[in-house]
Amino acid sequence: AQSVSQHNHHVILSEAASLELGCNYSYGGTVNLFWYVQYPGQHLQLLLKYFSGDPLVKGIKGFEAEFIKSKFSFNLRKPSVQWSDTAEYFCAVTVSGGGADGLTFGKGTHLIIQP
Amino acid sequence: NAGVTQTPKFRVLKTGQSMTLLCAQDMNHEYMYWYRQDPGMGLRLIHYSVGEGTTAKGEVPDGYNVSRLKKQNFLLGLESAAPSQTSVYFCASSPISHRVDTQYFGPGTRLTVL
Repeated sequence: AQSVSQHNHHVILSEAASLELGCNYSYGGTVNLFWYVQYPGQHLQLLLKYFSGDPLVKGIKGFEAEFIKSKFSFNLRKPSVQWSDTAEYFCAVTVSGGGADGLTFGKGTHLIIQP
Repeated sequence: NAGVTQTPKFRVLKTGQSMTLLCAQDMNHEYMYWYRQDPGMGLRLIHYSVGEGTTAKGEVPDGYNVSRLKKQNFLLGLESAAPSQTSVYFCASSPISHRVDTQYFGPGTRLTVL
């Protein structure tokens, strides 16, 4: 079965700082990769996803992520964070071509942006 | 479109009580899912459904039952609630695809079991 590891559980940054959140997965086959965000008191929203093609994917709100197959990684980046980026970020994986057995999530990274 | 809606938003139960959480989607999606979210654990899949009348177990199915009698609804039942089931429950749906597509999440139900 696949699993997802997010390296940082809590990250605190100042506004305008650059952001990189780590995500590694374990699965030997082809995967689909996602980053979801959960703003305080809200439900999960999709930031970006990778299914195939260009390993550098761009999402909403200036976020991007790079799929590095050799490292089993899908790190999330943003060049300049804003206070409104304060949220919980989840990396998730599902098996490409498999059944609908849902997403496997990482434990999440709580990001706090200080003004 | 309302997307994915969940009822109720909050609930407090006593140990041993039963309840049903309702998830409804108006996007004509085939696949529906129930997750629970616990601090430091991320989201974990409880049960899922690939279509009307079908259900399957996820990662943490014990203590829960589900039903998908109508395509647009996915019910999660707790027959005898336990404090360990205190959690936030999220429903999600996704369109039919040869591989799993983006999942759309509901707003969540916060359940406390005393």
